This record gives sequence, C-alpha cells and structure tokens, in this order.
Amino acid sequence: DAKTTQPNSMESNEEEPVHLPCNHSTISGTDYIHWYRQLPSQGPEYVIHGLTSNVNNRMASLAIAEDRKSSTLILHRATLRDAAVYYCILRLSTSGTYKYIFGTGTRLKVLA
Amino acid sequence: DSGVTQTPKHLITATGQRVTLRCSPRSGDLSVYWYQQSLDQGLQFLIQYYNGEERAKGNILERFSAQQFPDLHSELNLSSLELGDSALYFCASSPGLPGSGELFFGEGSRLTVL
Repeated sequence: DAKTTQPNSMESNEEEPVHLPCNHSTISGTDYIHWYRQLPSQGPEYVIHGLTSNVNNRMASLAIAEDRKSSTLILHRATLRDAAVYYCILRLSTSGTYKYIFGTGTRLKVLA
Repeated sequence: DSGVTQTPKHLITATGQRVTLRCSPRSGDLSVYWYQQSLDQGLQFLIQYYNGEERAKGNILERFSAQQFPDLHSELNLSSLELGDSALYFCASSPGLPGSGELFFGEGSRLTVL
C-alpha cells in the first residue's frame, strides 16, 4: 500500500502560521490526499482534502506539489485549540473501492 | 458531534474473553470503517463495509470479525482476547459510495484486557 511520511512532532507559537509537511512519493494518479486531526481523547476529524490543485477551507489550506509527491497543510494562525495529532493520508483506489490508510501523524504543540 | 455513535465507551475484560463493539453510522451513510489505535500509535485500518457488504480488509486478525446489518449499524467482534488487543477502536462512516468525501469518526470504544 502507498504510505505517507510525516515528522513526528512540530512546535509553533500561537497566532503564527504553521506548515505541516507530508511526503507521499508512491501516490497514484487517482489517490486523493486527505488530512485529519485528532484532538486529545477524541476521534479524528476531517480537515481538508485535495487531488491536484491547492485547496482552501475555513480550517486550513492544502498546498500540493506539482508532481503530487508531497503536500503541506497550512494553518494560517495557530491557536491553542489546534494542538493535536495531524494525519496526512492517501485515499487509495483499489478494485473498485477505497481505503484510507493513516500513518503515525505529526503531533503539533502550540506555545502560548 | 460527528453523528457516529459507538458503544460501549469503555470496556474492561479478561484474556480469553469475547466482546462486541457497536457502531451506528451517521444517518444516510452507507460506508462503515473500523480502525484500531494502540497506545500512542497511529490508526490501523481493520475493515470496511458498504451497504452490508465487506469492501476492504486491512490488518484484521482472524480472531476479529465484523458485520454490517440491514439497518447499517455495524459490530466488531473480538474473541480470544489477548493483552495486546487493549486499544481504542474507532468506527467511521462516510456518505455515498465507498470512499467518497470525508470520514466521520465516532468517539471510540476503549478496550482494556487484563
């Protein structure tokens, strides 16, 4: 299966932008890039997803490299509530169905 | 509130026992996914159902089984439990066809095997 590689942890100051990188060099043409985050003691929650073009929503932006082998999740102004584990995953297409494979994620610490 | 309901929230049992975890997906969602999260680990995909049919299998042990019922709720059965099965078990659902759009996760069932 395709996999993603992320740094284990990152730190950011409150009110500053955060760029969370992800490598997915084995991505296939039909695989979507998804980002989820998991707050302490909660289930993961959807953040954003994209295929080829950069995407923006109310939570974050997703920048996808031209060759699609890497992507970056951008939180424009980190708050203390953004402290979580962020997962970059690929939605794999296989035999007419899809799988979402989660890696170990990046633990984001936000400093006040 | 994601709309996905998992019961029980906490479960403590002994080695060798069998337990059943239940998941009610969001109203209208046809796909259900099960994930296992061991302490400080990422989420391991176990199995996926769509409208009652098994659609994809991950690293699910033979001691584990699952099914999705006509009312779309799903159950994950874990048998001959071992200490290493202690983990958080998450259910997620998604609308429409398998894999379309985002996943909505429940709050998880925490299983402790003593």
